[in-house]
Amino acid sequence: NAGVTQTPKFRVLKTGQSMTLLCAQDMNHEYMYWYRQDPGMGLRLIHYSVGEGTTAKGEVPDGYNVSRLKKQNFLLGLESAAPSQTSVYFCASSHGQGRHFGDGTRLSIL
Amino acid sequence: AQSVTQPDIHITVSEGASLELRCNYSYGATPYLFWYVQSPGQGLQLLLKYFSGDTLVQGIKGFEAEFKRSQSSFNLRKPSVHWSDAAEYFCAVVPNYGGSQGNLIFGKGTKLSVKP
Repeated sequence: NAGVTQTPKFRVLKTGQSMTLLCAQDMNHEYMYWYRQDPGMGLRLIHYSVGEGTTAKGEVPDGYNVSRLKKQNFLLGLESAAPSQTSVYFCASSHGQGRHFGDGTRLSIL
Repeated sequence: AQSVTQPDIHITVSEGASLELRCNYSYGATPYLFWYVQSPGQGLQLLLKYFSGDTLVQGIKGFEAEFKRSQSSFNLRKPSVHWSDAAEYFCAVVPNYGGSQGNLIFGKGTKLSVKP
């Protein structure tokens, strides 16, 4: 089973560029999440979704947008990338209180 | 302020020695409690979780954790550490607001190094 798959795994952007990170899960989970991980900060929730067509803000939503058009996919968009968004991004899904995590996307903004 | 605290940023233990990683939380009602492990370049893997019941919880890879309400703690333990246990460990909680659950909140992590 693939579980939670994130694409791409690595990306380098210039300031001001836009991009979309894709998360796909094959477990039929209702809940999906996007986190960012920074050194010494643990994981912080950016946005989450409790079902197809719904999204909500997490702890650090500014500068990001998300969409959940299909139950299995959760997209994270950066409209105008900034160096402060250099981070490792993790997607997760759940059907209860636990989370299944993807392997992460390492994003560098120059 | 509500928080999850892992007091130790980095711990080094010898292979075969016992291990205890500390986690404290500051939420009113008993939250749901989790421990995750992250190997370098990987995502997070769930080691164990506590929702209710027996306060000593067994997890994967020989890990266990004990919930102590009086100390607001959920410390992770392993009797004998293996070199493959070297990783970063995260404590996490889902606050329980009288039946309404909040989001998963992570501690800042404890990096474990294992000496031969």
